[in-house]
Amino acid sequence: DAGITQSPRHKVTETGTPVTLRCHQTENHRYMYWYRQDPGHGLRLIHYSYGVKDTDKGEVSDGYSVSRSKTEDFLLTLESATSSQTSVYFCAISDQGAAEAFFGQGTRLTVV
Amino acid sequence: AQKITQTQPGMFVQEKEAVTLDCTYDTSDPSYGLFWYKQPSSGEMIFLIYQGSYDQQNATEGRYSLNFQKARKSANLVISASQLGDSAMYFCAMREGPDTGFQKLVFGTGTRLLVSP
Repeated sequence: DAGITQSPRHKVTETGTPVTLRCHQTENHRYMYWYRQDPGHGLRLIHYSYGVKDTDKGEVSDGYSVSRSKTEDFLLTLESATSSQTSVYFCAISDQGAAEAFFGQGTRLTVV
Repeated sequence: AQKITQTQPGMFVQEKEAVTLDCTYDTSDPSYGLFWYKQPSSGEMIFLIYQGSYDQQNATEGRYSLNFQKARKSANLVISASQLGDSAMYFCAMREGPDTGFQKLVFGTGTRLLVSP
């Protein structure tokens, strides 16, 4: 299995609070991604990273920010959580020349 | 804009039979990649199979094969000899562009497969 760890695995938070999800990889892969999974939508890309300090927006980036200060860590921050951000969040990694992306175990976030 | 369509919300198959999960895609980029992922009830996303737009032959990985029909823009997943452990949600996904390493994926809404004894 690819070395990807997401933390926390489960979180319940209140509306308006900041939340940070962490993705840690031990594969030294160049590219990292954050997706969210919601019923009826499949997975949708929030943000992605080409490398350290090099990030860009995905399809559903409003309300989210990311940072990548080290190759192995990609952080997703909800500055002020809303109920619409209740979802399962997946981190993924990929590398040059490889056909597939590997996914972390997911983080279930509930905003109440 | 790229789009993936999976029209089968749910499929049922008996153990040891073959099953085809449908996927159609839309893109204007001549270079792209198509993927299938499996998501069991435990929630993880498991890569199954990949097809590049310039690949001449259909991809196969064990009991999984991808029926790639470029003119029809379809990339159906065929599972031969279904097993109980194949019961899961299956997602079709697409990457635009030639860079096989950069996997900025667009996903379909998924098909839930139930394999019965």
